[in-house]
Amino acid sequence: GEDVEQSLFLSVREGDSSVINCTYTDSSSTYLYWYKQEPGAGLQLLTYIFSNMDMKQDQRLTVLLNKKDKHLSLRIADTQTGDSAIYFCADADYKLSFGAGTTVTVRA
Amino acid sequence: DTGVSQDPRHKITKRGQNVTFRCDPISEHNRLYWYRQTLGQGPEFLTYFQNEAQLEKSRLLSDRFSAERPKGSFSTLEIQRTEQGDSAMYLCASSFTDGSSGNTIYFGEGSWLTVV
Repeated sequence: GEDVEQSLFLSVREGDSSVINCTYTDSSSTYLYWYKQEPGAGLQLLTYIFSNMDMKQDQRLTVLLNKKDKHLSLRIADTQTGDSAIYFCADADYKLSFGAGTTVTVRA
Repeated sequence: DTGVSQDPRHKITKRGQNVTFRCDPISEHNRLYWYRQTLGQGPEFLTYFQNEAQLEKSRLLSDRFSAERPKGSFSTLEIQRTEQGDSAMYLCASSFTDGSSGNTIYFGEGSWLTVV
């Protein structure tokens, strides 16, 4: 995948749900991933979805995939201050291609 | 398993000097990747290895950059004659794939390079 696009910023109140959206262009991607990056740190794998699925739930995280529109979203339920970070979606066949990331700020 | 380990975590060097970063992947992972990340950007792919074979190099990897994975375990990324534009975080990642299952890629904490 050469082009992955995300909105750059999201501000959410503590306890609300966050939804981060992503579009990608490479229809051959086998998996699509969500990573979290805290300041000065590496990337933490949050979750991933196989391209033949349309939804995956993992505790507070829900991933939705619309393969027809090449649209991926990550919903974080009950957002906490520790969820403040940059979130990257990435599409991959054998290597990851990243967008610029969405900076999520959780306000009290 | 301690995850992907990178060393050093931070390096400040003078322009023109050579630097080397080391990456120890997760044990038994056969793929190893190097990425570069600058401030405000997502990681950009540099190169990857399957076992000891370097299978792909990005156009970003100029001839001043060289990566090795001599025994199919740890890898080194060397930058010769560093330039200020090389200042970035260098991320290593690893995965296991046998072609029939997924390719879940795990990252290390990164090595920060500052060229002054």
